[in-house]
Formats: sequence, C-alpha cells, structure tokens
Amino acid sequence: KNEVEQSPQNLTAQEGEFITINCSYSVGISALHWLQQHPGGGIVSLFMLSSGKKKHGRLIATINIQEKHSSLHITASHPRDSAVYICAVPGGGADGLTFGKGTHLIIQP
Amino acid sequence: DADVTQTPRNRITKTGKRIMLECSQTKGHDRMYWYRQDPGLGLRLIYYSFDVKDINKGEISDGYSVSRQAQAKFSLSLESAIPNQTALYFCATQAGRGELFFGEGSRLTVL
Repeated sequence: KNEVEQSPQNLTAQEGEFITINCSYSVGISALHWLQQHPGGGIVSLFMLSSGKKKHGRLIATINIQEKHSSLHITASHPRDSAVYICAVPGGGADGLTFGKGTHLIIQP
Repeated sequence: DADVTQTPRNRITKTGKRIMLECSQTKGHDRMYWYRQDPGLGLRLIYYSFDVKDINKGEISDGYSVSRQAQAKFSLSLESAIPNQTALYFCATQAGRGELFFGEGSRLTVL
C-alpha cells in the first residue's frame, strides 16, 4: 500500500502570505491528486498531475516523481483559501486511491 | 444541479436499523466509489465499481454492501447500523484514471 504523508498538519497564516503544503508518498505513481475540502464538507478536485507543474489562478502544484514528493503552493493567500487540502495517490490496495490526512489551513485577515 | 448528488445529506438513526445512502451522477463516468471520512483519518475506500454489475470491496467493506443499479447510480447500504459507522460518507466518480468528482457528502449518525 502506498503510504502518504502530508505536512504540515495545521497551518495558520496571514492574508497575503505565500503558502506551501507538502505531500510525500512511498511507492511510484502515475498521477497525484490535490483536493480541497471546505468547512461545509464538500470536496473538489484542484489538480491531477503526473509530472512538472500545473497552475490555476493563485494555486500552483508541482511534483517530483524521482523524489516521490509534491507541493501545493498558494500565492497571495486570502481568507477564502481556508480549507483542508488533501493529496491522494494510487496504490490503495484495491485499485482506489490512498489519501493523506489533510492539511488544515486557516488564513487570517 | 450538482454533477454528483448524494441523498440524504444528513441522517440520524438507531443501532440495528438498515440505512441506504444513494449517489447519482450526470457525468457519464464509468467508475464510482464510496468513501468514509472520520476525524483525524484520511478518506478510506469502502466499495468501488467500474461498470454496472461490477462491484469490488475496498479496505473497509465489512458491515456495508453496495448496488450499481445503472451507470449513473451507486447505492451504499448499512444492513444493521452500529455506532462506529457514524461518519461522513462521500461518493465519487471518475472517468478512467482521470479527475475525481465528489458528492457533497452524507453525514450519518448512529445512536
């Protein structure tokens, strides 16, 4: 089974700060998912990436396949970015995904 | 309307009762999943289906059953609910190994 570690578990920052959330996994993969879960509970997919970097608005995701590591960056953070960010990789032992426990991000005004 | 719809959104029930959570999708995706989320734990896979009539157990299938009645519908049943099945349940869909789409979640409390 692929083991997934996210860091930090909790992060509080001020509005405007540059945010980095990290995800490491133990077994080589074809693609990694970054998800966002807002306080109301719903989960949305932010990125699916297999190499290099992807950008969507103020969000940037990078992955280093050799080092089995991915990062999610948020530029010019805003209180509406407050959410739990989850990474997920294949290798759940049942053709599903293994999910990290999430990073709880709070952006203060 | 949401692409992936779960019903009910919230349910409180008693130990021993049979509960069904329903999931329907308008994405036309072949793959559908049921996950469970508990505080402090990551999402865990209960069951998944890659097509109608295709049912596969996930890592925590004990105490649950599913039915894929049509490509668009995937139901999760708790035959005899117990308190440690209190959790937030998510249905998700996927086209092949592509992006995941989640429902809004169903919060189940078993007393």
